[in-house]
Amino acid sequence: GENVEQHPSTLSVQEGDSAVIKCTYSDSASNYFPWYKQELGKGPQLIIDIRSNVGEKKDQRIAVTLNKTAKHFSLHITETQPEDSAVYFCAEDSWGKLQFGAGTQVVVTP
Amino acid sequence: DTAVSQTPKYLVTQMGNDKSIKCEQNLGHDTMYWYKQDSKKFLKIMFSYNNKELIINETVPNRFSPKSPDKAHLNLHINSLELGDSAVYFCASSQEPGQETQYFGPGTRLLVL
Repeated sequence: GENVEQHPSTLSVQEGDSAVIKCTYSDSASNYFPWYKQELGKGPQLIIDIRSNVGEKKDQRIAVTLNKTAKHFSLHITETQPEDSAVYFCAEDSWGKLQFGAGTQVVVTP
Repeated sequence: DTAVSQTPKYLVTQMGNDKSIKCEQNLGHDTMYWYKQDSKKFLKIMFSYNNKELIINETVPNRFSPKSPDKAHLNLHINSLELGDSAVYFCASSQEPGQETQYFGPGTRLLVL
């Protein structure tokens, strides 16, 4: 998306290793940042989100960090498993609209 | 017990035809959306309705006309289909507009020949 940059576009990790995906945004008024996982042939599904009054949030093997000053946020997946293989999208809520990053194809190899 | 459902799942049609995609949600949400995902997986919002009223209308050609007969349904009608309309179209819903979890349907894969 033109307002959200996401890197890398592809990420290959060994099972058990960690994966990190980074996003930057431009709208300083944005204060809601969700992450979606899209498996092949399915619709995106929310996996974690963070609001601007929080710097970090964890849910089991998934964590998200937010740096509002630098306007970037990151997704961290620890102890990756084959079922983590999917396309991951970051997004920012800009005036009630979700602006998505271009997506990261994550491949976890056994 | 599907939360957000879309029909049809696949749609193959000729250029110039008119087609419709239907979406229904049983989550009791007030807000529904249509997204387009292109061949490079880029997801972009097209429309959003809240309580049957249009609240977001991105720069989408007016060949695309959404209709919300009630809060649980948001349909998308496309006139005079073009090759560039080939994409996956996703319906989604949320309790309120903005800063809320959006629940996506399974998608409708449209191929215009």
